[in-house]
Amino acid sequence: QVQLVQSGAEVTRPGAPVRVSCSIAGYTFSNYYIHWVRQAPGQGLEWMGLIDPRGGSTEYAQKFQGRVLMTRDTSTTTVYLDLTSLTSEDTAVYYCARRARIRSGYYYIFYFDYWGQGTLVTVSS
Amino acid sequence: EIVLTQSPGTLSLSPGESATLSCRASQTVSSRYLVWYQQKPGQAPRLLIYGASTRATGIPDRFNGSGSGTDFTLTISRLEPEDFAVYYCQHFDTSPPLTFGGGTKVEI
Repeated sequence: QVQLVQSGAEVTRPGAPVRVSCSIAGYTFSNYYIHWVRQAPGQGLEWMGLIDPRGGSTEYAQKFQGRVLMTRDTSTTTVYLDLTSLTSEDTAVYYCARRARIRSGYYYIFYFDYWGQGTLVTVSS
Repeated sequence: EIVLTQSPGTLSLSPGESATLSCRASQTVSSRYLVWYQQKPGQAPRLLIYGASTRATGIPDRFNGSGSGTDFTLTISRLEPEDFAVYYCQHFDTSPPLTFGGGTKVEI
């Protein structure tokens, strides 16, 4: 079955970087884009960016440009999120999510059909 | 960037009642790009509706999505105890950035 399994919780200092991994199983790795979405405590969902596992191309939300990097390792079918220069405002649960795509006439419809379990990143001095 | 505004912020209802959740877009969007998710505490979001009105696999028929243009609605009829959660709408097209609404909490 489809599984997106994320790495464990992280506690880190302001200014430090963090890496979150998303290990994928149960389907062909290269066939689905993976997105990252975060959720600050008690807040809503915030889209961070995406990676195409096939070629590794990425697109990032403007807010994170310059301090976010999404990569993938096809040999281990794992996607990584690296975020640098952390502040307390980066304290959040980080999710990876699979983008499904279905055809509807001449168009495609998209949605997130599978999500990782979430990784809590706490930034604290 | 399309901004999605959800209302109300909180809906207080009882089991058996119906809930009507609104998602308003800052500009006209295609209904095929409007998605709804449900999120319970400590869990990842769960897909409910895509293409504004198509229920995802396994979603009960008491969940119904509708709307077009800038106004979209999620209706939950005959609320069950497990339906009390936070609901998010999302605009999901080919061009980032993707956006989510701020969420509506349905509480007892």
